[in-house]
Amino acid sequence: GQNIDQPTEMTATEGAIVQINCTYQTSGFNGLFWYQQHAGEAPTFLSYNVLDGLEEKGRFSSFLSRSKGYSYLLLKELQMKDSASYLCAPMDSNYQLIWGAGTKLIIKP
Amino acid sequence: GAVVSQHPSWVICKSGTSVKIECRSLDFQATTMFWYRQFPKQSLMLMATSNEGSKATYEQGVEKDKFLINHASLTLSTLTVTSAHPEDSSFYICSAKTGSKNEKLFFGSGTQLSVL
Repeated sequence: GQNIDQPTEMTATEGAIVQINCTYQTSGFNGLFWYQQHAGEAPTFLSYNVLDGLEEKGRFSSFLSRSKGYSYLLLKELQMKDSASYLCAPMDSNYQLIWGAGTKLIIKP
Repeated sequence: GAVVSQHPSWVICKSGTSVKIECRSLDFQATTMFWYRQFPKQSLMLMATSNEGSKATYEQGVEKDKFLINHASLTLSTLTVTSAHPEDSSFYICSAKTGSKNEKLFFGSGTQLSVL
């Protein structure tokens, strides 16, 4: 079956670095997305990885290891506005996104 | 890297009118393009897969007569929302496959459609 596993909740301090891990099992694989979702709003696109390795985009970086079925989202220089849920979503062989439950990230001053 | 240009980024139209959204691959040939729709507070959902020179393949529950997809060239696919209604208001996003060995997907910036 298809399964996504990521921590339910994480807490970090403003200005620090946090890594949100995601492991997945899907029927086929066509890349993996990370989305950010603030409470009551639609998810917004953060990153897309299809090849192994690290992709950096400003304060956010995303890593993928296809052989391990593993990805992480790295957030640097945390700001209070980064408090949100972060959703890991691999894309299966039918180009459908398989959504995880998300990780609620709490940033403390 | 490869760029996918999507236009318009934002459109408002009256109920009953048709709206065309364009998706262009700017520096590569896209044999396959995908159209997604995202409603507020919901997931990004695949609507259809568009292959150059052939009819699009629609996902279950997507009306092919309402959402017309044309992929007439290797760099352009269009999605036309016909006789739009307020319930069609959504964020539409396209993506394109390069056709290279790694077949990475590249995404357009999306189109926010609001039907009054």
